Amino acid sequence: EDQVTQSPEALRLQEGESSSLNCSYTVSGLRGLFWYRQDPGKGPEFLFTLYSAGEEKEKERLKATLTKKESFLHITAPKPEDSATYLCAARYNNNDMRFGAGTRLTVKP
Amino acid sequence: DAGVIQSPRHEVTEMGQEVTLRCKPISGHNSLFWYRQTMMRGLELLIYFNNNVPIDDSGMPEDRFSAKMPNASFSTLKIQPSEPRDSAVYFCASSSPWTGASYEQYFGPGTRLTVT
Repeated sequence: EDQVTQSPEALRLQEGESSSLNCSYTVSGLRGLFWYRQDPGKGPEFLFTLYSAGEEKEKERLKATLTKKESFLHITAPKPEDSATYLCAARYNNNDMRFGAGTRLTVKP
Repeated sequence: DAGVIQSPRHEVTEMGQEVTLRCKPISGHNSLFWYRQTMMRGLELLIYFNNNVPIDDSGMPEDRFSAKMPNASFSTLKIQPSEPRDSAVYFCASSSPWTGASYEQYFGPGTRLTVT
């Protein structure tokens, strides 16, 4: 069965303290790797799509990268408003969309 | 753009009752997805439609669950009869044909279902 695993489960940072979130996935049949942000009581909000190893995408303080077996979401100089749960998802050849359990990020001022 | 619209936002019902969740996708989007989110299992894809046709319902937990999409602007997810283990947040998402393979999905605010 296709698997998507995120780590850590929770991460607490001080404002300005950069870090990375990890997403590992089943490699076979991957058609795309997605990152979403989810705020409490809301639906996930699309951030990035990555297709091939070596690809990188950036948006404000966030940068997503993809290797052959994992993806990273780098957060540079985070602010309290970056606090949220970040979800990774993988889409496979059979159109199966698998989400990881998420990393709950808290940024303290 | 109003985004994906879901109703109701909250539903409390008793075990055995029928529950119907509703979704209006973003205009022009041709794919629609139903997800369920719980603390234990995270976000799970239940079923998705392409051009109003169900493509993959392998995520539907059992026969008590059914979904329809009678037209491009409306979909329902029905649970009959409901059970306490169905308590979860149900999300609807849609995606545009113009994103090609990127499969960017836009989620609604969700319906929080509680079955007592």
